Amino acid sequence: DTGVSQDPRHKITKRGQNVTFRCDPISEHNRLYWYRQTLGQGPEFLTYFQNEAQLEKSRLLSDRFSAERPKGSFSTLEIQRTEQGDSAMYLCASSLVRLGLAGSGANVLTFGAGSRLTVL
Amino acid sequence: AQSVAQPEDQVNVAEGNPLTVKCTYSVSGNPYLFWYVQYPNRGLQFLLKYITGDNLVKGSYGFEAEFNKSQTSFHLKKPSALVSDSALYFCAVRDSAGSYNFNKFYFGSGTKLNVKP
Repeated sequence: DTGVSQDPRHKITKRGQNVTFRCDPISEHNRLYWYRQTLGQGPEFLTYFQNEAQLEKSRLLSDRFSAERPKGSFSTLEIQRTEQGDSAMYLCASSLVRLGLAGSGANVLTFGAGSRLTVL
Repeated sequence: AQSVAQPEDQVNVAEGNPLTVKCTYSVSGNPYLFWYVQYPNRGLQFLLKYITGDNLVKGSYGFEAEFNKSQTSFHLKKPSALVSDSALYFCAVRDSAGSYNFNKFYFGSGTKLNVKP
């Protein structure tokens, strides 16, 4: 296993276009997170999945954003009708959480290298 | 509300000198605290974590961090800095089990560490 993979690494698009990012987590990891990082800021939580179920979405995610994780494996993050304010690095992270096991909640995130979006 | 503050945008230190990168946090329950490092064009990498127990936590690459509950701090330290430690460092916190925000990590804005030869 080579870790968390994200594709594409860099996407340049025109305002109003749709873009989709893909994340392939570590295969045995059951939890997958999407974060957004802008210059000079730390990662901001967007959403996370427990297996295929999307359990929480941030208020940062407008209706133009949608994420899926079919079959609990890879995940996609789609942004419709992109705006210049969407320009950022989109980070994917995965982790293994053994529910019911004391201390397992402090799971360590393994991050991908990110997908940088530039909206012109 | 859960939050993390890294008061220094940049820390400069000479190689061989001790380094400290500061982090303070705010959570409603007992915190789980983390440090991650980010090198250029690389994903964030885990350094160390505090869940409970000993206030001094040892991690990767010779780094350690000290949990101070009364000061709500979790400063990252290393006794002797290396040029290769130059990178962006992020502190993160998550709430303890039972909290509504249990599954969310909150990251600080990052501190750029510059180690000069």
